[in-house]
Amino acid sequence: AQTVTQSQPEMSVQEAETVTLSCTYDTSENNYYLFWYKQPPSRQMILVIRQEAYKQQNATENRFSVNFQKAAKSFSLKISDSQLGDTAMYFCAFMSPRDGANSKLTFGKGITLSVRP
Amino acid sequence: GAGVSQSPSNKVTEKGKDVELRCDPISGHTALYWYRQSLGQGLEFLIYFQGNSAPDKSGLPSDRFSAERTGGSVSTLTIQRTQQEDSAVYLCASSLAIRAGELFFGEGSRLTVL
Repeated sequence: AQTVTQSQPEMSVQEAETVTLSCTYDTSENNYYLFWYKQPPSRQMILVIRQEAYKQQNATENRFSVNFQKAAKSFSLKISDSQLGDTAMYFCAFMSPRDGANSKLTFGKGITLSVRP
Repeated sequence: GAGVSQSPSNKVTEKGKDVELRCDPISGHTALYWYRQSLGQGLEFLIYFQGNSAPDKSGLPSDRFSAERTGGSVSTLTIQRTQQEDSAVYLCASSLAIRAGELFFGEGSRLTVL
């Protein structure tokens, strides 16, 4: 079974600074996807960024980028130029396709990020 | 609406009662997921529907929990004989098969069992 671990329960960062959120996972699969999801205080979760395991290049979406270390099974999220709107819970997630189709996502416990003005 | 819609947004019930939670996915999305989020916990997978395939029910915590998806669209999660430990936010999400793992979540149904 796959597991996703987010060991930091909370982090705080000053507005405009950079912060890195950690995530490790455990799997015996070779083909999988990794994700970071954001859950603002309003509760609706949204996808921040996605990484395909077969791609060596780290995914980037504007101020958000990942450091994907496949051998170490590590998948951290870097938020540059932090903004007040980045305040939220962030969840790391894993999915391994089954028979070429999507399957369930396994989520970590999340980390609460606070951006200070 | 354009997003995933869940109802009710809040439900308070007494221990032992049955509850039904409803999810309207985004039109055209073939995959539908139910997750449970308890305070201080991550998202616990409950069940996954994909098109006409048999659902993945591996996350349902007991036989008191069941879900169905009618006509490949609306889904209902039913909890029978509710217990206090069932109190949580139940999140529904839908996705397109071609966008692996890109889930669109509803705002959730907060269930409180007294």
